[in-house]
Amino acid sequence: QSALTQPASVSGSPGQSITISCTGTSSDVGGYNYVSWYQQHPGKAPKLMIYEVSNRPSGVSNRFSGSKSGNTASLTISGLQAEDEADYYCSSYTSSSTLRTVFGGGTKLTVL
Amino acid sequence: EVQLVESGGGLVKPGGSLRLSCAASGFTFSSYSMNWVRQAPGKGLEWVSSISSSSSYIYYADSVKGRFTISRDNAKNSLYLQMNSLRAEDTAVYYCAREGQQWLALDYWGQGTLVTVSS
Repeated sequence: QSALTQPASVSGSPGQSITISCTGTSSDVGGYNYVSWYQQHPGKAPKLMIYEVSNRPSGVSNRFSGSKSGNTASLTISGLQAEDEADYYCSSYTSSSTLRTVFGGGTKLTVL
Repeated sequence: EVQLVESGGGLVKPGGSLRLSCAASGFTFSSYSMNWVRQAPGKGLEWVSSISSSSSYIYYADSVKGRFTISRDNAKNSLYLQMNSLRAEDTAVYYCAREGQQWLALDYWGQGTLVTVSS
């Protein structure tokens, strides 16, 4: 099964905004609004940041936002802070084969 | 407070078996679907398997289908992953994760348990 496609790395300075893309197909990202985003700091478990494309769980900063256009979903982080430095993963429901969820390859965010 | 605690990881030889457990607390376990997600050393997340609240619906990634079996015991608030015919490529940290009220959103994760498959 193919993972969703994310850039390997992105970077930004404190206070800036960055966007991480997540590209799939019409069988996953493009066909359903079940895209989630997770943040993972080194040695820690992932944390849910966005669900259903653009919704934030309680307690997640409104600096994090999600969107989708066609087969590509995006995570935008505004007002970058040092603690945002982490790996970010997208995931989506997929209708292909027996899979239910597919993850992206992950993006390393560096705050300069 | 929601807590998920995995156990059962360790070193196993290729072809061997291992059973992972995930003890849940702080929520009504029987009301939620549960998932296993793994992460090979230095690699990304890979969804492994999911099971619905009453065990009616079970799904597996192609990479583990026929070798792994997910199950749950709602009376014991526990999730399991029986892993057979283990391969070197199964080496990973295995996380159990709760699927929240929002479908397919994994809102709580355990700390993970490391499975190493090596001779």
